[in-house]
Amino acid sequence: DQQVKQNSPSLSVQEGRISILNCDYTNSMFDYFLWYKKYPAEGPTFLISISSIKDKNEDGRFTVFLNKSAKHLSLHIVPSQPGDSAVYFCAASEGGGGADGLTFGKGTHLIIQP
Amino acid sequence: DTGVSQDPRHKITKRGQNVTFRCDPISEHNRLYWYRQTLGQGPEFLTYFQNEAQLEKSRLLSDRFSAERPKGSFSTLEIQRTEQGDSAMYLCASSSLLDEQFFGPGTRLTVL
Repeated sequence: DQQVKQNSPSLSVQEGRISILNCDYTNSMFDYFLWYKKYPAEGPTFLISISSIKDKNEDGRFTVFLNKSAKHLSLHIVPSQPGDSAVYFCAASEGGGGADGLTFGKGTHLIIQP
Repeated sequence: DTGVSQDPRHKITKRGQNVTFRCDPISEHNRLYWYRQTLGQGPEFLTYFQNEAQLEKSRLLSDRFSAERPKGSFSTLEIQRTEQGDSAMYLCASSSLLDEQFFGPGTRLTVL
């Protein structure tokens, strides 16, 4: 049973436009959520996180929104740049910030078109 | 210290052999994690350590898998009697107590 779901395996966005990546979760005990970015042949790189006490967190071009009632979060990237092309993973944890074992989704491959 | 390092980066072995992977965390991080990632999936949590104490090992995939962190610094993950289904990327990550996890580049295992 997948507790973190990323239902779009891939997403293509034009350079300069907004990219929106979505993630749903089923475990109501999750209270900390993270987004990681992965290039081929490299490990995942932390992007941004959000605690369940917030509904929005921004860091530069990246904003994460959390809707607890819907058990849904999204990552917005604006404006999208060619270097943003990568696989994006949504991850979640229970009760430990980002420092307990994480549960990951399957990832969304974002392709930024010139 | 430039990040988490893993050795080897690639390992090819025959079914039934034992393999051991090493992870060196970021030096000031006291937590160390192991994950497995198969094709088309996200990383799957296996186990983690705080210093030399293994805090969670129930998620190890079978009793053929074991991990150690004897001095609270580097860690090893051993797979005994490898099977073809063990072919995957094995990722190590480290963090401080209240920090996000930083991942290494992974060890790709191929079992023939």
